[in-house]
Amino acid sequence: NAGVTQTPKFRILKIGQSMTLQCTQDMNHNYMYWYRQDPGMGLKLIYYSVGAGITDKGEVPNGYNVSRSTTEDFPLRLELAAPSQTSVYFCASSYRQHTGELFFGEGSRLTVL
Amino acid sequence: AQSVSQHNHHVILSEAASLELGCNYSYGGTVNLFWYVQYPGQHLQLLLKYFSGDPLVKGIKGFEAEFIKSKFSFNLRKPSVQWSDTAEYFCAAKGPGGGNKLTFGTGTQLKVEL
Repeated sequence: NAGVTQTPKFRILKIGQSMTLQCTQDMNHNYMYWYRQDPGMGLKLIYYSVGAGITDKGEVPNGYNVSRSTTEDFPLRLELAAPSQTSVYFCASSYRQHTGELFFGEGSRLTVL
Repeated sequence: AQSVSQHNHHVILSEAASLELGCNYSYGGTVNLFWYVQYPGQHLQLLLKYFSGDPLVKGIKGFEAEFIKSKFSFNLRKPSVQWSDTAEYFCAAKGPGGGNKLTFGTGTQLKVEL
């Protein structure tokens, strides 16, 4: 089992560029999440999904978009990258929403210059 | 808004010292509480969790946490830390007040010196 896999691990973007962070899980989890982690700020929820075809905004969704066409994949798209989006992004999944027991990917470090 | 507070941002201890990391939450009613750990260069992983029952919860690697409802606290403890415990520790809470989504604290960076 690979668990939750994120790509790329590192990326540098120029202001205004777009990119997609890929996330896939092989645990057949219905629930998937995208968090960003900033120093001293903890983790903030960007978007989440309760199943294929269903997504919803978290605390900090502005500047991001997601889709969930399959149970396995939950890509995060950054449109018009801004320096404020410099962060470490974590994808996570869980079997049930209410357990709070998340399985995390290894993170993607994004720098916007 | 529901929140989780971790008051210790950086903690430095010597090996064999005892550890206690504070965590307070602002949820009312039923709440589920968690501690996650992030070792250097690795992803977050669950350390322990509290849903109900015995308020003293034991997790992996000798860690434990005590849920004190009257104090809205869920402090993490370990009697004797090791160098390998160097990591960042996140408290998290989940409850109806937060839309049943997991809310994380800001994290505590623990450094254990030999």
